[in-house]
Amino acid sequence: DAKTTQPPSMDCAEGRAANLPCNHSTISGNEYVYWYRQIHSQGPQYIIHGLKNNETNEMASLIITEDRKSSTLILPHATLRDTAVYYCIVRQYPLAGGAQKLVFGQGTRLTINP
Amino acid sequence: DVKVTQSSRYLVKRTGEKVFLECVQDMDHENMFWYRQDPGLGLRLIYFSYDVKMKEKGDIPEGYSVSREKKERFSLILESASTNQTSMYLCASSPRGRPTGELFFGEGSRLTVL
Repeated sequence: DAKTTQPPSMDCAEGRAANLPCNHSTISGNEYVYWYRQIHSQGPQYIIHGLKNNETNEMASLIITEDRKSSTLILPHATLRDTAVYYCIVRQYPLAGGAQKLVFGQGTRLTINP
Repeated sequence: DVKVTQSSRYLVKRTGEKVFLECVQDMDHENMFWYRQDPGLGLRLIYFSYDVKMKEKGDIPEGYSVSREKKERFSLILESASTNQTSMYLCASSPRGRPTGELFFGEGSRLTVL
């Protein structure tokens, strides 16, 4: 699986858009980009994933560059509850019947300030 | 709401004790996983299971075993606990073949081995 590089920490003001970058320069053509977050003392929570097109759901938007070597997770209007560690993971989509094994790195600690 | 429930949030055990960590999911998922999380090391996969009575080693299986006798339940066993197994243990589940690749995590079990 391709490795990812994320900044260890970021700050963002409440109400502003939080843009979290991720580099995955060794990504291969069949690998997806996943984002999870972990709020203190809780288990990780799935946010979004994508292959090459930009994706949006009720939680966030995912922008993947055309060469797929990097991506950005966007939280459009950050709130204090978005303070968490955010993990960017690159993983090949599992074959039918296979288990989804994800390898978590160190992530980015995002702090939303009032 | 979908749910992954871990039997104990906090446990304190002594070196050499046998420890059982239980995980139950109510989503009828085929895949279940055990991770441990340590500061500076992120989440590391211990074991996973893609069906009843099936198990696969993850990245750090040494010192652990697992049991999957029923679809909804996946147990992690420490045959003889050691101090280096003090950690946060996270259980997760996912459905087979689901395109989102989403893992659902429990809230974690913090184990201290004295």
